[in-house]
Amino acid sequence: ETGVTQTPRHLVMGMTNKKSLKCEQHLGHNAMYWYKQSAKKPLELMFVYNFKEQTENNSVPSRFSPECPNSSHLFLHLHTLQPEDSALYLCASSPSGADTQYFGPGTRLTVL
Amino acid sequence: LAKTTQPISMDSYEGQEVNITCSHNNIATNDYITWYQQFPSQGPRFIIQGYKTKVTNEVASLFIPADRKSSTLSLPRVSLSDTAVYYCLVGDRGRGSTLGRLYFGRGTQLTVWP
Repeated sequence: ETGVTQTPRHLVMGMTNKKSLKCEQHLGHNAMYWYKQSAKKPLELMFVYNFKEQTENNSVPSRFSPECPNSSHLFLHLHTLQPEDSALYLCASSPSGADTQYFGPGTRLTVL
Repeated sequence: LAKTTQPISMDSYEGQEVNITCSHNNIATNDYITWYQQFPSQGPRFIIQGYKTKVTNEVASLFIPADRKSSTLSLPRVSLSDTAVYYCLVGDRGRGSTLGRLYFGRGTQLTVWP
């Protein structure tokens, strides 16, 4: 247990569905992150939030929409995804952008 | 960001010491070296971090030579459960403009055999 939880752990969705991934951290951290990890590929940073403000959008397609209502919660809203978006989506948090990030267990997403 | 180079894979047997070396020739003065461990279908887990010389915790040791262009993660007496991907990362502590930007690379797949 790292203090970062993600729900759901597994998600299967069609290309026309709308779903959301949730991340919650119980560590009192101020920075939160979304990463994508496809099979056999390195982790790709998607979004960074620091004190609820988005500070990084790593050229992510608009079909992925992040939301950070407070420093403890982070959402990733998904709509009209493609099969190539199937991957492990990881959430992480850190005290304030420091490089020691604590990761959640991830959500395994399959887009049919 | 300083890019890192590490072996794609390594094999070891239970009870042996494993040393994984990472090259980071372009490391900057403010950069720290951090190692993560990742099991399949799980998020990476922080192992150890250092700036220079040697750092040791209950899990591993990290050796960093004076020029800091490389580092070695040392895992004492590995077990089957240490089979995982190990990532070496180099970056500043987020106080500059590189807030949270970590480049994980492909890591080193360590396989421990009985």
